[in-house]
Amino acid sequence: GESVGLHLPTLSVQEGDNSIINCAYSNSASDYFIWYKQESGKGPQFIIDIRSNMDKRQGQRVTVLLNKTVKHLSLQIAATQPGDSAVYFCAENRGLRGSYIPTFGRGTSLIVHP
Amino acid sequence: NAGVTQTPKFQVLKTGQSMTLQCAQDMNHEYMSWYRQDPGMGLRLIHYSVGAGITDQGEVPNGYNVSRSTTEDFPLRLLSAAPSQTSVYFCASSYSRGEGYNEQFFGPGTRLTVL
Repeated sequence: GESVGLHLPTLSVQEGDNSIINCAYSNSASDYFIWYKQESGKGPQFIIDIRSNMDKRQGQRVTVLLNKTVKHLSLQIAATQPGDSAVYFCAENRGLRGSYIPTFGRGTSLIVHP
Repeated sequence: NAGVTQTPKFQVLKTGQSMTLQCAQDMNHEYMSWYRQDPGMGLRLIHYSVGAGITDQGEVPNGYNVSRSTTEDFPLRLLSAAPSQTSVYFCASSYSRGEGYNEQFFGPGTRLTVL
């Protein structure tokens, strides 16, 4: 079964609002997590990542929060714009053969209304 | 740099036919991988490679073969296509940014239909 999953399949927000996309993971040994954005007809695109020795990491308009106690991470998008409409995936890096090959959850579709 | 390229973009096969999906990257990345994406299922790992000459199975390897003779190329072979292999296939390459951080780049995908 999947070790990375998302709470909500679809999230609708108004332009300018903040968006929060949630993700749960089950492997307590996971030490690295990544968020990806996938626009329609394209491959996933890296947004932001975080290692398990941190609980928060910020990028441009995006913040990832990690709660290891409950095995939960979230992606916060500030001042959401129509261009943010996409499917967002959280991924867990299992360190296969010492490498970094992510395992993906099912994704959340973010719809931004103008 | 072209990044990660995949060919073809679209392909229709009949059950039992074989074919190879091509993937190439020009960023000298050590790691490469193949995923399939089905509706509502997210991306599932088929095979991956941690360097030339080294490949390993992912979550859903049955019906697929890979090889990695060069750093740049990582082709995916369907030995005998089945309707269950109808999907969108993504190839990715990745590198380490240091301090345990890694970044992965995806190709544009190949949409495969098996009749």
